[in-house]
This record gives sequence, C-alpha cells and structure tokens, in this order.
Amino acid sequence: EAQVTQNPRYLITVTGKKLTVTCSQNMNHEYMSWYRQDPGLGLRQIYYSMNVEVTDKGDVPEGYKVSRKEKRNFPLILESPSPNQTSLYFCASSLSFIETQYFGPGTRLLVL
Amino acid sequence: KQEVTQIPAALSVPEGENLVLNCSFTDSAIYNLQWFRQDPGKGLTSLLLIQSSQREQTSGRLNASLDKSSGRSTLYIAASQPGDSATYLCAVPPQMDSSYKLIFGSGTRLLVRP
Repeated sequence: EAQVTQNPRYLITVTGKKLTVTCSQNMNHEYMSWYRQDPGLGLRQIYYSMNVEVTDKGDVPEGYKVSRKEKRNFPLILESPSPNQTSLYFCASSLSFIETQYFGPGTRLLVL
Repeated sequence: KQEVTQIPAALSVPEGENLVLNCSFTDSAIYNLQWFRQDPGKGLTSLLLIQSSQREQTSGRLNASLDKSSGRSTLYIAASQPGDSATYLCAVPPQMDSSYKLIFGSGTRLLVRP
C-alpha cells in the first residue's frame, strides 16, 4: 500500500530533550516536506526537500533540523524542544512539489 | 504574497443535500489547486488536484472547478452523507514564489447531519 508513515504518533516530552520524528514514504517520491498545524495559524511549512541533494527552509524552520540521506526517509529533529513547538506535525511527499501531495497521519507533540 | 481564503469556516447541512465549498486565492499565478479532506486528529487526504489549465475535475460525488482569472475554486459535493463530515482544505503551490510549498486555506469544517 502506498503510504507515508510517521513515528511516533503521539509524544510527550520535556523542554530541552532532543527528539526525532521519523517520516518514511514507499512511493519513490523525490519531494518531501514537513508542516506544523496550529489552531488559528493553519498549516505552515517547516522544511522541504526537493530530492536527496536539495533541502531548504520553509516558513518556520527555527528550532528544527532535517536530513535526507536517502530518498524514502526525511526525519524531523528537534535538538532542544521548547513549549512553543507543541503542535501537530505532518510529513508529506510527492513526485514533485506541484504534484499531488500525500500526507502522513500526523504526530502530536506536547513539550512540557 | 499568495493568500488563500475559505468561506464559510463551518457548515452544517442535512444528509442528502448538495453543497458547495468555496476557496479563493489572491494571485492567479498557480500551478494547480488541490482539495484535501482532514478528519479530526488525522492526516490530510488528497481529494482532487485541478491543473491551472483545467476548468473542472471530478471524482465520484465530488466536482472541483477552477477559475484562475477570478481567483476562485469551488468543491461541489453531491448527495452529502454523514461520512462526508470533515474539514476540507484547499491549497495552491504558487508560481511566483521562491519557496516550494503548498499555501493552505484555513479550511471549512463540514457537518452532515443524519
């Protein structure tokens, strides 16, 4: 089944404790992206990757890192989480950024 | 800067009714427009992608239209069912923007009453 998977789905952590949210797709997509969704602010892009060689910041990259060592995986790294990073996070992938985008099920993060 | 607006923010209709959801965008330089569905606490599911050169796209009971010149798209849902209850989001990848992302509207929360 073609899908985007994220892990974990739910996470409660404390300020400053490094964490990684994994994202994997099995559709051989070149483009991958991370969004966060917050009430009243909608969906905002954190980082994107056009392919394994090109990764760049989105609208709200502060406090986040990503890597794209292989085509299928695009982990989101929070080196020192803070309460303002409490949010619902979505990974997305597509053949290119102008093609239909497929979203993962989301990761709900609470930073205390 | 591209802005996407969806009106109304919420809509409640009885089962069986045909309904229209609206999406407007400020810059007509878009590659396409995508409609998504989001169920509570879940991810986004792509419903339809309508290319900038197209006027309409259909999938089952769903029909999306696009009028680039007026900056508007509509999602028509025929014979609505309680299972259609969800939040519907439209999004565009802008052409005149150096970033590579979708710009989303804030969504229309739909409730179909049995």
